[in-house]
Amino acid sequence: AQKVTQAQTEISVVEKEDVTLDCVYETRDTTYYLFWYKQPPSGELVFLIRRNSFDEQNEISGRYSWNFQKSTSSFNFTITASQVVDSAVYFCALSEWVTGGGNKLTFGTGTQLKVEL
Amino acid sequence: EPEVTQTPSHQVTQMGQEVILRCVPISNHLYFYWYRQILGQKVEFLVSFYNNEISEKSEIFDDQFSVERPDGSNFTLKIRSTKLEDSAMYFCASSPGGGGGWQPQHFGDGTRLSIL
Repeated sequence: AQKVTQAQTEISVVEKEDVTLDCVYETRDTTYYLFWYKQPPSGELVFLIRRNSFDEQNEISGRYSWNFQKSTSSFNFTITASQVVDSAVYFCALSEWVTGGGNKLTFGTGTQLKVEL
Repeated sequence: EPEVTQTPSHQVTQMGQEVILRCVPISNHLYFYWYRQILGQKVEFLVSFYNNEISEKSEIFDDQFSVERPDGSNFTLKIRSTKLEDSAMYFCASSPGGGGGWQPQHFGDGTRLSIL
């Protein structure tokens, strides 16, 4: 069965600090996909980034970057120069293709990020 | 940018009553989903729906739950006889075709269901 672990329950940083959110996953699939979603205080779930299992190249998109390491089953997410608006719960999710069609997401328990002035 | 819309934003229902949560997925998407988030907990998969059929359901999705796509735009989740433990935020999501599990799911703002 798929499993996603986010060991950090809550992180507090001061604005402009960099912050890394950890994610460790378990899967038996050889091809899989990983996602990060953001849930601000208003409650909606917002897609941020994705990575497939056969591409370990790390990427940067604006203030976001991610580090995917298949050897350690980790998919960490970094926010550079954090801002107060980054305060939210961040969820890591593992995608499993469903035979009948579609993909099922298994979410971690989330990390609450608080960015203070 | 197209988005998934859910109604109502908040539903209060007496225990034992039936409730229908409504969703309008993004128009050209092919796959539809319902997830549940009990307050303060993680988001849990309930069901996926494709080609007018359930493609996968979780253990949570028992006989009291059903889904339907009654027309070309709406996607509904019905809970037949609500229990106190059904109180949660329910999210609808949709994703486009192709790409296997690569396509991100786009979520609605959720319906907060409160069972009294």
